[in-house]
Amino acid sequence: DGGITQSPKYLFRKEGQNVTLSCEQNLNHDAMYWYRQDPGQGLRLIYYSQIVNDFQKGDIAEGYSVSREKKESFPLTVTSAQKNPTAFYLCASSIEEGLGTYEQYFGPGTRLTVT
Amino acid sequence: AQSVAQPEDQVNVAEGNPLTVKCTYSVSGNPYLFWYVQYPNRGLQFLLKYITGDNLVKGSYGFEAEFNKSQTSFHLKKPSALVSDSALYFCAVRGGPSGSARQLTFGSGTQLTVLP
Repeated sequence: DGGITQSPKYLFRKEGQNVTLSCEQNLNHDAMYWYRQDPGQGLRLIYYSQIVNDFQKGDIAEGYSVSREKKESFPLTVTSAQKNPTAFYLCASSIEEGLGTYEQYFGPGTRLTVT
Repeated sequence: AQSVAQPEDQVNVAEGNPLTVKCTYSVSGNPYLFWYVQYPNRGLQFLLKYITGDNLVKGSYGFEAEFNKSQTSFHLKKPSALVSDSALYFCAVRGGPSGSARQLTFGSGTQLTVLP
């Protein structure tokens, strides 16, 4: 899982509550990403950020929000507007593209359960 | 739009036998292709990538993948499977449905089980 940490590993919340998932990287990577993983569906992109103070919506951004105030940190908030928040959430990062590498490196994930 | 397909949800192979996990892709432009492995309740680990050059790409843990442009495939292979290779494998292509170049689009995953 390299230099990307996600906390907590397991998170339980009641329906209607907002919850924030932490993602920190010490790889000095410029870009960071949040994916959601559901059984049998692969990974789907929620948000990504290429530089500090800038981020873009992915394919399933509704009900989520992010911030990128520091290069090392990219927290994800799951709001009460997200209809099916129970899932495994994965954070990833990648190095600047000009260096010719395009792979992303993933954290260990946070399993969120909302009841 | 970029997409990948992993036609097999489950692959079983005996330990010591060669293994193949299949992936086909659809892209506009040159494909940048990746394989990742995921163990239970863990993040994804990068195995290998094809960007350009030799069609046979070698990666971590003895895995390799063959890029075939005419068949639009990027199958993952290993000459001799280990029980410890049992995991969920994802193929991915650079680029997303909405046209973003930076994201990866993932297949639905193939569960590999190596039987002792």
